[in-house]
Amino acid sequence: KQEVTQIPAALSVPEGENLVLNCSFTDSAIYNLQWFRQDPGKGLTSLLLIQSSQREQTSGRLNASLDKSSGRSTLYIAASQPGDSATYLCAAVMYSSASKIIFGSGTRLSIRP
Amino acid sequence: NAGVTQTPKFQVLKTGQSMTLQCAQDMNHEYMSWYRQDPGMGLRLIHYSVGAGITDQGEVPNGYNVSRSTTEDFPLRLLSAAPSQTSVYFCASSSAATGRAEKLFFGSGTQLSVL
Repeated sequence: KQEVTQIPAALSVPEGENLVLNCSFTDSAIYNLQWFRQDPGKGLTSLLLIQSSQREQTSGRLNASLDKSSGRSTLYIAASQPGDSATYLCAAVMYSSASKIIFGSGTRLSIRP
Repeated sequence: NAGVTQTPKFQVLKTGQSMTLQCAQDMNHEYMSWYRQDPGMGLRLIHYSVGAGITDQGEVPNGYNVSRSTTEDFPLRLLSAAPSQTSVYFCASSSAATGRAEKLFFGSGTQLSVL
């Protein structure tokens, strides 16, 4: 069974810190990996999409990397702000899962002012 | 541009009742899908569609039906609601036919309670 895991489930850091969120997946034959943000009571917003041929993607203060050989992706957030507080989810499409996008359970991030 | 629209936002059902959750997108996306989100379990795929007339099962399809008669609409039907179906339901769409290569756009969700 293909799985996507995010550890820790929750993280609290002071404002201004750089931080890394982790995502691991069981199948290295990955098609792409996507990072999402979810605010309480809201839907998910796609932040970054990394194709299997790419090593990383950047958008503003966010940088996502993909290491297929180790089955890991990281989301780096620079100079964190209270507005970054949200739940961050990663989702992978693995070749063995066809068109099924498999989600991790998310990391709930809290940035303390 | 409305994106992905889900209705209703909230719904309370009694056990055994049936209902349809509506999902519509105005981006001409081929790929549409339904997820349920439960605490500590992330999002689990219920059903998905790669185009009008084509649907397939996801991870947790039991108790749910879907159809895709148009590109725009992808309704999710609960046949006989059970308390285990209490959850938040999300519809999502993507421009890629397989949903793989493009960003996934989500609706705002339907919070369903089955008593």
